[in-house]
Amino acid sequence: DAGVTQSPTHLIKTRGQQVTLRCSPKSGHDTVSWYQQALGQGPQFIFQYYEEEERQRGNFPDRFSGHQFPNYSSELNVNALLLGDSALYLCASSLAPQNTGELFFGEGSRLTVL
Amino acid sequence: GESVGLHLPTLSVQEGDNSIINCAYSNSASDYFIWYKQESGKGPQFIIDIRSNMDKRQGQRVTVLLNKTVKHLSLQIAATQPGDSAVYFCAEKDHTDKLIFGTGTRLQVFP
Repeated sequence: DAGVTQSPTHLIKTRGQQVTLRCSPKSGHDTVSWYQQALGQGPQFIFQYYEEEERQRGNFPDRFSGHQFPNYSSELNVNALLLGDSALYLCASSLAPQNTGELFFGEGSRLTVL
Repeated sequence: GESVGLHLPTLSVQEGDNSIINCAYSNSASDYFIWYKQESGKGPQFIIDIRSNMDKRQGQRVTVLLNKTVKHLSLQIAATQPGDSAVYFCAEKDHTDKLIFGTGTRLQVFP
């Protein structure tokens, strides 16, 4: 049973560029949440997707957007990259939005913005 | 605003000793708390959780204590092993279903 898988594992972009990160949830899970983890910090909630819609959102600008597909996989898009967007981006899945405590995390996509 | 913080950024313990990692939270509306372990290069891994109607919960070698009066959460690890070395995060959840993480405590286990 595959857990949460994310791609790419590492990537380097320059300021102003756009990036797309991908996530496949754990088998049987229908809810995907995205978190940003800066070096030495705890994960910060970006948004959550359920039934192909953004269900709730953290304190992130509109440059951060996402999508969930019918097969429950998800993408995180960041436009107009800033140096401060450099971080580990974590995807987490759960069975239903209210089961946030039973999150399964992927190993993350490490984004470096130069 | 909402925040979850940790008292000690780094904790060093000898193998076989017990470890205690502390966490303070500020949102009195939070009703569910979770401890995660994050090893280098990996995503957070669930350790143990506790609901606000409880004050103690035990797992295998781990115990979580919740003191709602002072908004304090702790994780106790018995007989700490080298494999326990990692960064530990507490997280809280309120009615919005999103998790709010603290900044983490690094646990170092030495022989």
